[in-house]
Amino acid sequence: DGGITQSPKYLFRKEGQNVTLSCEQNLNHDAMYWYRQDPGQGLRLIYYSQIVNDFQKGDIAEGYSVSREKKESFPLTVTSAQKNPTAFYLCASSRGHHTGKTQYFGPGTRLLVL
Amino acid sequence: KQEVTQIPAALSVPEGENLVLNCSFTDSAIYNLQWFRQDPGKGLTSLLLIQSSQREQTSGRLNASLDKSSGRSTLYIAASQPGDSATYLCAVDLNDYKLSFGAGTTVTVRA
Repeated sequence: DGGITQSPKYLFRKEGQNVTLSCEQNLNHDAMYWYRQDPGQGLRLIYYSQIVNDFQKGDIAEGYSVSREKKESFPLTVTSAQKNPTAFYLCASSRGHHTGKTQYFGPGTRLLVL
Repeated sequence: KQEVTQIPAALSVPEGENLVLNCSFTDSAIYNLQWFRQDPGKGLTSLLLIQSSQREQTSGRLNASLDKSSGRSTLYIAASQPGDSATYLCAVDLNDYKLSFGAGTTVTVRA
């Protein structure tokens, strides 16, 4: 089955700790994205990557970092600099360098602060 | 900056009634508009994508219209069923790899 997987489903972060959220896709998509969703708000773009070894900041990149070493993988690290990390994190992918293509979403990771 | 608004935030209807969900956006220079469905605690599923040159798209009981000049899109769901209960989000593509999302309308269909 083709799709996007995210792990873990739930993640707990302690004060001052960095945590990494996993996102893997087997759709052969070039572009991948990370969004943050807070209650009552729309999704906000954190980072996106159009191609391997390249990524750009979205609207709320502060306190987050990413890497794109493989086409299939786009992990997101929530650093200790992110002061309000509690949210639902969604990874997505889409085809090619052409815009206007549907984005396919993973099941999400809920991050909670202890 | 593109602002996307969905009103109402929540809607409850009896089974069988037609659903009308609204989405408005401030910048009419969009590339396309998409409607997504989100079940509680889950990711998003794409329902319909309307290119800027199109006026509407249909898939089964779903129909989405687009009026760029007025900055509006409407999602119609015919003969609603309890399984249609979910949050529906619209997202606007400005042709720059970014989607601007509305906050969503949470729909409850009562059996």
